[in-house]
Amino acid sequence: QKEVEQNSGPLSVPEGAIASLNCTYSDRGSQSFFWYRQYSGKSPELIMFIYSNGDKEDGRFTAQLNKASQYVSLLIRDSQPSDSATYLCAVITGRRALTFGSGTRLQVQP
Amino acid sequence: DAGVTQSPTHLIKTRGQQVTLRCSPKSGHDTVSWYQQALGQGPQFIFQYYEEEERQRGNFPDRFSGHQFPNYSSELNVNALLLGDSALYLCASFLQGSNYGYTFGSGTRLTVV
Repeated sequence: QKEVEQNSGPLSVPEGAIASLNCTYSDRGSQSFFWYRQYSGKSPELIMFIYSNGDKEDGRFTAQLNKASQYVSLLIRDSQPSDSATYLCAVITGRRALTFGSGTRLQVQP
Repeated sequence: DAGVTQSPTHLIKTRGQQVTLRCSPKSGHDTVSWYQQALGQGPQFIFQYYEEEERQRGNFPDRFSGHQFPNYSSELNVNALLLGDSALYLCASFLQGSNYGYTFGSGTRLTVV
């Protein structure tokens, strides 16, 4: 079982819709959870981080964490074509080795 | 305020050669991690340096080694290059004790031919 699992996609949504990206993790001791966005050929860029159960909102982005279910998600409201990228879920466990999933490719159709 | 800087941006090497990649962390950060990202995959953790020592290591062979200097900058060395070492190598930095995610450099694209 991979430590961090994501559906590779592509996830295709129309412009203006809500995109929902999901991630599960295997280690119950995981403490911190991050979403990075990565455009093709570029390095990952931090979008959101969340530590506590529940929702955290930042502009059009909402991160959701459910530690009991070992599940973290990212919602993107009013999706734009510029949101088309690969979204990487990452988890810190223990001594701060940031572990990534393989990423979900999002395509926002104009 | 400079972010994480990596050099070189691109590199082509021949199988069996050795390569050194360099990273300067973001100002105020003291910890550097290195990642390998193959095409279509998420970044894979190689190792992390703090206080000039390797603190954690991922599942990479001893051909991969590193160093951290007193100014917190770091080098990644790969010996006896294989075709499979072709990837984007990412350096990330953060400040120990902080609660924020890593900041990534723009990466070094290594091609082994």
